[in-house]
Amino acid sequence: EAGVTQFPSHSVIEKGQTVTLRCDPISGHDNLYWYRRVMGKEIKFLLHFVKESKQDESGMPNNRFLAERTGGTYSTLKVQPAELEDSGVYFCASSQDMWPGELFFGEGSRLTVL
Amino acid sequence: AQKITQTQPGMFVQEKEAVTLDCTYDTSDQSYGLFWYKQPSSGEMIFLIYQGSYDEQNATEGRYSLNFQKARKSANLVISASQLGDSAMYFCAMRDAGTYKYIFGTGTRLKVLA
Repeated sequence: EAGVTQFPSHSVIEKGQTVTLRCDPISGHDNLYWYRRVMGKEIKFLLHFVKESKQDESGMPNNRFLAERTGGTYSTLKVQPAELEDSGVYFCASSQDMWPGELFFGEGSRLTVL
Repeated sequence: AQKITQTQPGMFVQEKEAVTLDCTYDTSDQSYGLFWYKQPSSGEMIFLIYQGSYDEQNATEGRYSLNFQKARKSANLVISASQLGDSAMYFCAMRDAGTYKYIFGTGTRLKVLA
């Protein structure tokens, strides 16, 4: 069974540019999460999908971030325009069960904004 | 507000010895789950162990055990018989039963010495 895959693994862009991160969850997992870790800090929640619906996007920093989940399958996270403080590792995770809902993570997408 | 605190940014342990990674949490909910994840250098977060707030016995998974002290709000991870492959970042996380959101700590980097 394929795990959670994320693309790209590393992206370097300049301030003001746009980047789109993609996540393919484990097949059959209705729950999909985006998290972000800034160097040395905690992993912070961004948002949660159940199938194609956004259940909670309270962690999205601002309206420069847009997440979508097409047909309840893969998800994209777009940052437009990128700022320096957006640098970090963006993790995607999926889960099947509602409780306790063990998360299966991807390897993360490292974003560097110069 | 929910919070996870990991006070040890880095730890060393000799191979074959046991090590305890500290985690304290804060929540006003009575029903919650506590998780530990391992992040090796490859970047992927790996689920290790889960403890429910109503579980009376400490969770164990192979060489991993969770020392759950509810009154002190601590959920320390104990790794017995450390192996070189245990060198990684370790994250403590919590989820309240009424939410889908997981709260993570800042992590502890463990280095196992040969």
